[in-house]
Amino acid sequence: QTVVTQEPSLTVSPGGTVTLTCASNTGAVTSGYHPNWIQQKPGQAPRALIYGIYKKHSWTPARFSGSLVGATAALTLSGAQPEDEADYYCLLYFDHRYGDAWVFGGGTKLTVL
Amino acid sequence: EVQLVESGGDLVRPGGSLRLSCAASGFTFSNHWMTWVRQAPGKGPQWVANINEDGTKRVYVDSVKGRFTISRDNDKNSLSLQMNSLRAEDTALFYCARWSLNDHTPDYWGQGTLVTVSS
Repeated sequence: QTVVTQEPSLTVSPGGTVTLTCASNTGAVTSGYHPNWIQQKPGQAPRALIYGIYKKHSWTPARFSGSLVGATAALTLSGAQPEDEADYYCLLYFDHRYGDAWVFGGGTKLTVL
Repeated sequence: EVQLVESGGDLVRPGGSLRLSCAASGFTFSNHWMTWVRQAPGKGPQWVANINEDGTKRVYVDSVKGRFTISRDNDKNSLSLQMNSLRAEDTALFYCARWSLNDHTPDYWGQGTLVTVSS
């Protein structure tokens, strides 16, 4: 069974920097996992912010960036804004060895305080 | 403007069936893989199923295999999810989303349709 692990919660000060991580129980996260970072605010549909480790959608604020840090995918928020308070989910692809499945992490609740 | 509008959610008894639909507009529907993602109340999203551009390849999460069927009608720009043998644990908000061209990312999402399985 494939499991994607994220920090359950993190807090960042306004203007501060925070890094969220995403780990797989099958090994180090690489480009082959096509990591996505998905933001969801209360009452709203999810919205992809980062894909392919570091690529941004047209709507992704510049303060968000993606990377690989050690064995994990990472989302870094630099210069946090109050509107960044949300749940953030990592989404990974697991290939034919694991059923060609996409798996969300449990999510990180980010508080800007 | 890309739009995805889900419909068909309802209250259904355990063991029952339901068919969800997603109407797509604002893009060339037949060029894109499509997906269903669900989110149980108070929980994170769960990927449910993918379908390729012409409907010949379908992939499902293990928990719905044999019970759910994803399909599409490219002439009607419509995505569907037939759900049979529904269980209480299938209760969720179901979203349809579009996979972007050439990139593995669900770039546009609908607002979801609520499925409640309860007696």
